[in-house]
Amino acid sequence: NAGVTQTPKFQVLKTGQSMTLQCAQDMNHNSMYWYRQDPGMGLRLIYYSASEGTTDKGEVPNGYNVSRLNKREFSLRLESAAPSQTSVYFCASRSSSYNEQFFGPGTRLTVL
Amino acid sequence: AQKITQTQPGMFVQEKEAVTLDCTYDTSDQSYGLFWYKQPSSGEMIFLIYQGSYDEQNATEGRYSLNFQKARKSANLVISASQLGDSAMYFCAMRAGGNNRKLIWGLGTSLAVNP
Repeated sequence: NAGVTQTPKFQVLKTGQSMTLQCAQDMNHNSMYWYRQDPGMGLRLIYYSASEGTTDKGEVPNGYNVSRLNKREFSLRLESAAPSQTSVYFCASRSSSYNEQFFGPGTRLTVL
Repeated sequence: AQKITQTQPGMFVQEKEAVTLDCTYDTSDQSYGLFWYKQPSSGEMIFLIYQGSYDEQNATEGRYSLNFQKARKSANLVISASQLGDSAMYFCAMRAGGNNRKLIWGLGTSLAVNP
């Protein structure tokens, strides 16, 4: 039981490049989330998915797209990376039966 | 507006002593939930404790307890018998409106436990 896994752990991009951050959970959770964490800003919600086949915008969705590929996987795509997207990205999931969200280990992304 | 405020950017505590981390919240919803998470220097987010707005008793999980004062809109985390491994960032978060799809996060408190 791996919980929530994220790949890659680290990534360096040049401005304008694209990439997809992968997230998978093996806890059969319905809801999944993408956050970014910046110094002095706390965690901010980018997108979330309440269930397979649905996605909704969070606080800071601009510049990102998401795909809920199936119940296990929720990916975050940067189509044209910008230096302002340098951050640590966390994926989380939640069961319908419980309140807490379980987090992945994070991806540290640097955009030059 | 829904908001979480953590007023202590940094705290120090001696090993084996108790420490209280402050959290105040603002919401007009009647149904909401409050969470505390720990983030050690390794970076992962670890769930510690949850309190629902209708829970009459303060939540406890081992050495962690949540001092919930509804009228004051505060949800302080109390760590008893601090250990060196408690050194970390601590985040307070709120789920409001009965819709626990989204959490609103505070900016965190950095706790250092001194030997």
